[in-house]
Amino acid sequence: DQQVKQNSPSLSVQEGRISILNCDYTNSMFDYFLWYKKYPAEGPTFLISISSIKDKNEDGRFTVFLNKSAKHLSLHIVPSQPGDSAVYFCAASGTNAGNMLTFGGGTRLMVKP
Amino acid sequence: GAGVSQSPSNKVTEKGKDVELRCDPISGHTALYWYRQSLGQGLEFLIYFQGNSAPDKSGLPSDRFSAERTGGSVSTLTIQRTQQEDSAVYLCASSLDVGTAVYEQYFGPGTRLTVT
Repeated sequence: DQQVKQNSPSLSVQEGRISILNCDYTNSMFDYFLWYKKYPAEGPTFLISISSIKDKNEDGRFTVFLNKSAKHLSLHIVPSQPGDSAVYFCAASGTNAGNMLTFGGGTRLMVKP
Repeated sequence: GAGVSQSPSNKVTEKGKDVELRCDPISGHTALYWYRQSLGQGLEFLIYFQGNSAPDKSGLPSDRFSAERTGGSVSTLTIQRTQQEDSAVYLCASSLDVGTAVYEQYFGPGTRLTVT
């Protein structure tokens, strides 16, 4: 009964192209969504977030899209750079779902030079 | 300013022993969280401290796990009678926690626990 799912365990992209990471959730009480990036032997680092009142949030090369009706969000990275290679975790939270984060299983992104 | 720090960075222990993991949150952050990441898995919520309120222990996997937060700052996660399935990276995070807003959580580097 995973409430947050990342169905692609890995993704390989050429440098300069777009990376699209996907995430699905089931709990309709979630109203805040975050993406974290994790390098080996380090803790996750916050990347970008989106509130459920929006459908898009952009920060530089990173854009998160939220489709509430489909309970789906995605992270777009463009252009992708080799330094973006890491594991990306989608997380969800909500004031009525507890402030702790519920994480997806992660997607390993590899950006090839 | 300093981020979230955790100690030790690595801990190897024998099955049946007790272990204590420490977390120092970012100064001024009133909320503190413990998560763990088992091999090949996502992050699993364990426990959440918010200010002086009773902690949310809903994620603790068994009564062998306990945590405390002294003085609203440093937290210790204790695992009694460790089992091999407790082997994981234990991550601590802190955040602001004011009213009903949700704030980003900032993570420490984690403690890698190996139970032999």
